[in-house]
Amino acid sequence: NAGVMQNPRHLVRRRGQEARLRCSPMKGHSHVYWYRQLPEEGLKFMVYLQKENIIDESGMPKERFSAEFPKEGPSILRIQQVVRGDSAAYFCASSPWTGDTGELFFGEGSRLTVL
Amino acid sequence: GENVEQHPSTLSVQEGDSAVIKCTYSDSASNYFPWYKQELGKRPQLIIDIRSNVGEKKDQRIAVTLNKTAKHFSLHITETQPEDSAVYFCAASKGNQFYFGTGTSLTVIP
Repeated sequence: NAGVMQNPRHLVRRRGQEARLRCSPMKGHSHVYWYRQLPEEGLKFMVYLQKENIIDESGMPKERFSAEFPKEGPSILRIQQVVRGDSAAYFCASSPWTGDTGELFFGEGSRLTVL
Repeated sequence: GENVEQHPSTLSVQEGDSAVIKCTYSDSASNYFPWYKQELGKRPQLIIDIRSNVGEKKDQRIAVTLNKTAKHFSLHITETQPEDSAVYFCAASKGNQFYFGTGTSLTVIP
């Protein structure tokens, strides 16, 4: 059973470009979370999605950021018109949600560098 | 929403000594408290967790205690080893929402 897969692992963008980060949850997991981690800082919640639904996006900036988790395919975090402050590691996590809170499984992260 | 505070932000201990990291939470409805370890450049990984119906849980050199009345929980690492050096995150969860502390950078000095 493969773990949470994120790609790309490293992404370099120039200011104003778009960044797309992908996350494939573990097999059987229907819940996906995105977290942002700035250098030497904690995990900041961005968004929580189920298949085709955004459950909680309270941690996501209102502009330039969007997320989706389609019926087929990976979850995508999209950052439009990137700025240097968007440089960070973006971690995806998934959980099976069996009706009781359980472990979050994290991917290896996607490290975005904005030049 | 939930607010999780974690202390200290950095911790240095001599190899073989114990390390304690403390977290507080604000929402009494939180019922699941995991601890994650993140080595440099790696993904966070679960090392131990505790549910609200339990006061203490131990796994070899790692233990977690929970005080529901005071809304705080702690991670205890005994007989620390250099490979314990990492950033540790606590979290509080209810339903399917997870709220993380700001992390503790632990350094074990050989």
